Amino acid sequence: AQSVTQLDSHVSVSEGTPVLLRCNYSSSYSPSLFWYVQHPNKGLQLLLKYTSAATLVKGINGFEAEFKKSETSFHLTKPSAHMSDAAEYFCVVTLNQAGTALIFGKGTTLSVSS
Amino acid sequence: GAVVSQHPSWVICKSGTSVKIECRSLDFQATTMFWYRQFPKQSLMLMATSNEGSKATYEQGVEKDKFLINHASLTLSTLTVTSAHPEDSSFYICSASRAGGVYNEQFFGPGTRLTVL
Repeated sequence: AQSVTQLDSHVSVSEGTPVLLRCNYSSSYSPSLFWYVQHPNKGLQLLLKYTSAATLVKGINGFEAEFKKSETSFHLTKPSAHMSDAAEYFCVVTLNQAGTALIFGKGTTLSVSS
Repeated sequence: GAVVSQHPSWVICKSGTSVKIECRSLDFQATTMFWYRQFPKQSLMLMATSNEGSKATYEQGVEKDKFLINHASLTLSTLTVTSAHPEDSSFYICSASRAGGVYNEQFFGPGTRLTVL
């Protein structure tokens, strides 16, 4: 069965320091994986996606994630946090190979202090 | 491209009222649309999947008669919350995907906040 676990419910960083949001997945096939960001009272914005191409995926706003099959991980990183990065982040895995259904992690709240 | 809109963005209604939420794909044809529900500070839970012209497929635990979904065209899906009660208050988010490619990426709408008094 497919599942996704975000290891931290809340991450706090200072502006200008690196960001690491951790995600582990479980899948019976090679999944597609995504990171979405949600700002308060807003919809979801796709940060990046992995669909069996390069294992290091670069996304918008300086974020990137590395797919590590041996560790079943897809951690999201950014070298230097901005205040505007404060939001809720969701790691998402496809439920089926067709990609027509998604499973969302519980989310990680990123706080950025000045 | 690939913009999805929802209307209304926020609705407040009395208990017992039915509320309709629209989801539109503005610049592409959506073969499949999805409806999610998000409680405060929680993740998104898939409620149902709908394909244009056919009945929606509901996830386990979601009442079909309570949450009516219509996907009448390739650009519009509606979710009607019938006889809404305070426990139906939530953030409802739709997404749409278009055919083609190995993976049919979902594009999300901005969400509709429903408050039932």
